[in-house]
Amino acid sequence: SYELTQPLSVSVALGQTARITCGGNNIGSKNVHWYQQKPGQAPVLVIYRDSNRPSGIPERFSGSNSGNTATLTISRAQAGDEADYYCQVWDSSSHVVFGGGTKLTVL
Amino acid sequence: EVQLVESGGVVVQPGGSLRLSCAASGFTFDDYAMHWVRQAPGKGLEWVSLISWDGGSTYYADSVKGRFTISRDNSKNSLYLQMNSLRAEDTALYYCAKDHGSGSYYLDYWGQGTLVTVSS
Repeated sequence: SYELTQPLSVSVALGQTARITCGGNNIGSKNVHWYQQKPGQAPVLVIYRDSNRPSGIPERFSGSNSGNTATLTISRAQAGDEADYYCQVWDSSSHVVFGGGTKLTVL
Repeated sequence: EVQLVESGGVVVQPGGSLRLSCAASGFTFDDYAMHWVRQAPGKGLEWVSLISWDGGSTYYADSVKGRFTISRDNSKNSLYLQMNSLRAEDTALYYCAKDHGSGSYYLDYWGQGTLVTVSS
């Protein structure tokens, strides 16, 4: 089965740029989606199809995908961006696959 | 406004059964596939199941295949998850989520979840 690998945690200084990676075999050939989950809340879609933002998501959130790594980039990080972030793909075996999640800390 | 409201989560003994429901509103329910996703306490997201817009196609995670059954009633704008032979490792918050459509299989709206606890 297809696996997605994320770092357990990423830290970023307030106002700086955070990058959260999602690794998978030839993930660049798949559509990657990203979700933000704050404590006690349901996940929220923040990036779809590699680099598209749903309405209401700040432009500070962007995504890219190439080779074996997809990346969620959060520019000008704010305290309110502290959350768990999950990447997700649709696998050829007809399964939705989530990465293990990354906890973002804003220092 | 899209709303998804799950219900049916309770404490159940190992080996028991349970049916979760999800009431949908704010969109044309029978135009979209729907998912169940779960999250064990302190753990990450785990996809559980997907059903097509008409119920004609269903997909399951290996961890629940043969024990769980997803279904929908488009006349009632409702999604269901029948859970049998429950195990301790099925303890989780269960979310229903709407698929965006267009074949990309991403989840654009989520409910707040219903808690299932499997314990004796």
